[in-house]
Amino acid sequence: EVQLLESGGGLVQPGGSLRLSCVASGFNFSSDYMTWVRQAPGKGLEWVANIKYDGSEKYYDDSVKGRFTISRDNAKNSLSLQMNSLRVEDTAVYYCAKGVGVSWGRGTLVTVSS
Amino acid sequence: QAGLTQPPSVSEALRQTATLTCTGNSDNVGYQGAAWLQQHQGHPPKLLSDRNNNRPSGISERFSTSRSGSTASLTIIGLQPDDEADYYCSAWDRSLSALAFGGGTRLTVL
Repeated sequence: EVQLLESGGGLVQPGGSLRLSCVASGFNFSSDYMTWVRQAPGKGLEWVANIKYDGSEKYYDDSVKGRFTISRDNAKNSLSLQMNSLRVEDTAVYYCAKGVGVSWGRGTLVTVSS
Repeated sequence: QAGLTQPPSVSEALRQTATLTCTGNSDNVGYQGAAWLQQHQGHPPKLLSDRNNNRPSGISERFSTSRSGSTASLTIIGLQPDDEADYYCSAWDRSLSALAFGGGTRLTVL
């Protein structure tokens, strides 16, 4: 059974940083693209970034480009999202997803507020 | 940024059929099709169908998908109370190198 467990969310001030992690199990992690998707309170799904199975290609939504960095450690079945220069509008539940949305974690809440 | 168009809401009666649509363009839906996700309030999304119209194991046959040009459709037959949820489509946009989502359709079962 595919399991994705996100962690690292919390309350941070505007301009601050946070690092999200996602630990995967139940599938061959090193063979799959991985994706971060977020959902602001009461809003729809918004793609953030994804990364090729070997980390050689990374793609970002324009709204986070230059501020967020996606990475992975295939030896640890782990996906990360380093978030810098956070803004109020980055407040959302952040989901880790297998592929481009085949399986999803339960999400971790990031709140950016002063 | 890439964006797919879905009607904000659809309402249908219990045991009836609902059809939800998702419109993109030739670089996203028209290129490789769209996946469909179901999300109940307070829960993460769940894949109903991938871009090749394949249902994961455990997804009811009452859910079917199709595509015509740049418009994808999700049809739910025999509506049940538990089908009341938000439904999203998604597709990779090759021109933007971005994953596009629709704004979501809230399905109400009357």
